[in-house]
Amino acid sequence: KAGVTQTPRYLIKTRGQQVTLSCSPISGHRSVSWYQQTPGQGLQFLFEYFSETQRNKGNFPGRFSGRQFSNSRSEMNVSTLELGDSALYLCASSLNTGQGNSPLHFGNGTRLTVT
Amino acid sequence: AQSVTQLDSHVSVSEGTPVLLRCNYSSSYSPSLFWYVQHPNKGLQLLLKYTSAATLVKGINGFEAEFKKSETSFHLTKPSAHMSDAAEYFCVVKTGGSYIPTFGRGTSLIVHP
Repeated sequence: KAGVTQTPRYLIKTRGQQVTLSCSPISGHRSVSWYQQTPGQGLQFLFEYFSETQRNKGNFPGRFSGRQFSNSRSEMNVSTLELGDSALYLCASSLNTGQGNSPLHFGNGTRLTVT
Repeated sequence: AQSVTQLDSHVSVSEGTPVLLRCNYSSSYSPSLFWYVQHPNKGLQLLLKYTSAATLVKGINGFEAEFKKSETSFHLTKPSAHMSDAAEYFCVVKTGGSYIPTFGRGTSLIVHP
């Protein structure tokens, strides 16, 4: 089975621009969640989608948004980029049996650098 | 509410010696606990999970962890470290039906030859 695929692997953007990151989950997984990883803040939850609906959202500004398509693929968008948005963005998928014990399967991430 | 504390930011061992990475959690409900490993420039890989079955959980690559409710701990161990174990390790807690995981700050495992 193919793993979680994130594209692109690397991105360099300028302050004020916007960016879209893509995530293809493991086949059969309907839950997709996004995380920001930085040296200062560690791993932080952004949001989680299930069956095209945002089910949970972390404590990030409205510049961070996402969506999920009918095939479970997901995108996240960051508008009006700031230097502090430089991070590794990780996507994870899970079976989501409705219980909290479904493990997350992560992609290799997208490294975003804002200059 | 839930939280997780990884007690060591760095652990240094020699190849062939035991590994102990410590994790304490706080949870209002019965937790699900996970250990993940992250190699440089990669995503997180699941090592093992605890979901209220056996308290001693065996994972991949010889790792295991013991859930101790009285101590609210979920420490990760391995009898003999290998050079390829050098990586960042994360302890993660999810509570009940919550879909939002809480991550520890990570422990960097350094393995000396």
